[in-house]
Amino acid sequence: KQEVTQIPAALSVPEGENLVLNCSFTDSAIYNLQWFRQDPGKGLTSLLLIQSSQREQTSGRLNASLDKSSGRSTLYIAASQPGDSATYLCAVEKAAGNKLTFGGGTRVLVKP
Amino acid sequence: NAGVMQNPRHLVRRRGQEARLRCSPMKGHSHVYWYRQLPEEGLKFMVYLQKENIIDESGMPKERFSAEFPKEGPSILRIQQVVRGDSAAYFCASSPGLAVYNEQFFGPGTRLTVL
Repeated sequence: KQEVTQIPAALSVPEGENLVLNCSFTDSAIYNLQWFRQDPGKGLTSLLLIQSSQREQTSGRLNASLDKSSGRSTLYIAASQPGDSATYLCAVEKAAGNKLTFGGGTRVLVKP
Repeated sequence: NAGVMQNPRHLVRRRGQEARLRCSPMKGHSHVYWYRQLPEEGLKFMVYLQKENIIDESGMPKERFSAEFPKEGPSILRIQQVVRGDSAAYFCASSPGLAVYNEQFFGPGTRLTVL
């Protein structure tokens, strides 16, 4: 059974600092991995999707890496801003068209 | 191109009543997934549907819960005889299908409160 863990559960940084969010999964046989952002009381916004054959994906200040063999992904957010404050979730998909298994999330606070 | 639509956004029911949650997928998407987020807990998969078919319902409680995705119209998640423990945010996601890049897009959720 796939288990996804995100550490730390909460993170507080001053504005401008780079953020490093970690995600680990127990079963390396994944199809893809997605990173999401969730604001309080809101839905999920997809940030990045990394296919199992890829090592990383980038979008603006966001960069996500994937090391499938060790069961790890890292989301980097460069030059953090107060607007980056949210909960960040990672989720893995075992096979194409399959359900997502989510981690518990990392709650991020960027202080101005 | 509208995103995934869910309604209602907030739903209040008394114990024993029925709750019906609706999800309209993104245009061109034929796959729908329902997830539940209990207070202070992570998102958990409930059910995966394609048009007129349930593909995987391994995360859905065996009693009181049912889901459908008819040929026409939205997907419906139905909870009969609701209990307080059903209070949660219910999210729907859609994807284009078994494409190379099968990204799931989420709706804003329905927040169910059972009194």
